[in-house]
Order: sequence, then structure tokens, then C-alpha cells
Amino acid sequence: GAGVSQSPRYKVAKRGQDVALRCDPISGHVSLFWYQQALGQGPEFLTYFQNEAQLDKSGLPSDRFFAERPEGSVSTLKIQRTQQEDSAVYLCASSLFQGPSYGYTFGSGTRLTVV
Amino acid sequence: AQTVTQSQPEMSVQEAETVTLSCTYDTSESDYYLFWYKQPPSRQMILVIRQEAYKQQNATENRFSVNFQKAAKSFSLKISDSQLGDAAMYFCAYRGGSNYKLTFGKGTLLTVNP
Repeated sequence: GAGVSQSPRYKVAKRGQDVALRCDPISGHVSLFWYQQALGQGPEFLTYFQNEAQLDKSGLPSDRFFAERPEGSVSTLKIQRTQQEDSAVYLCASSLFQGPSYGYTFGSGTRLTVV
Repeated sequence: AQTVTQSQPEMSVQEAETVTLSCTYDTSESDYYLFWYKQPPSRQMILVIRQEAYKQQNATENRFSVNFQKAAKSFSLKISDSQLGDAAMYFCAYRGGSNYKLTFGKGTLLTVNP
């Protein structure tokens, strides 16, 4: 597609519920990133994929967070047993390659509210 | 670890005037990149301008320019001839030369008054 598409745009979950957030990157983009943006803060790195390989998951805050990109295109961020502190905007970004010469294109994010 | 500090939570400017947003960073790396991103209410992070640390010349993109002071670790954004559409959150970000992670500041909310 022309841009990075994320769905749903908004998600309200009851505490303890599992959620799945989807990212559809720009076609052909090798690198894919997930960031978490808490209210009033800048985005913080969660995880990085190069094609289908998850090369870095050091930013995932707990083992309740899991991300996958099985075919090297669409990615899903799953949060199990959601907690109130998980409330945030989850941003996805993709890049043609990894090198610093290549810019990132961000999606519009999913706003997750845990009640 | 690298840190990025934006000391101005909010700024305002009159339409057609000039405004400067401040950013400082801390790093021990010699090779890195700095960015300014704009985030409107649509939430999409839009790249405004980028600066390679090895370049002495300040980057310019139309009405947007930066003042990059490498020794002082300062990277400010100047918006000239401000327009209503410039109103948004602005984030300063850092990326190491051999890294892929972006480190963001907390942002500055820019209001443009007609």
C-alpha cells in the first residue's frame, strides 16, 4: 500500500482481556518496528523485525507482550492479560532497509485504552 | 544510554511569525543522526527534517531549518512564516549510526494563533 496501515484505530479492552494490534507496512519494506507512546510522552521502542525475523525485542515491557511477522509483511502485536499501564498509542513503522540512510514511515497508530 | 531532552512542553506563535523549538541530547557516539518529527492529531509521525552528525552544514527544508551545535549537543528547529497547519506536537529524535532505534524526547506542543 501507499502508507503504513494500522488497525484498529481505537481499542478499548477490559483489564485481563487479550488484544491483537495489526500493522500492514509499505509493500516491500524489509524493516518493521513497533513503538509504544504513553500519554504525554514520546514513543519508546518495543521491537524490530527484519523480514520475518524478530532481531530485537528488548523493549517489550513484559512477557505479556508478543509480536510476530510470520511472512515478512503484516505484523501483529499481541498483549495478553492487559493491564491499565498498557494504555497507550502503539505505533508501527517500516523502512525499506535497515541502514540509517533509509527513513522510517510511521502509521497512525492504535490507541489502546484498558478499563 | 542516549537521552533526548525537550525543555519546552508548549510553545505558541503567531501566524507568519518565526518560532524556535529546543532540543538537547546526550551521547558518547561520534556517528549519529538527529530528526524532528511532527505529530498532528491524526497521530502519524511525519518526518520534518533530519541532520547527519558528520555534516557541518545545517539542514534546511523549505520553511524548516535546524541549528545543529555538535559540541553543545544542541539541535533546535526553526519554523519560519508559521502556518496554521504547523500546529502539532513536535518530537526531537536521535538515532545512532550503527543502530536502528529512535530515541525520542517528550515533545513540544506548538500552537499557531491566527
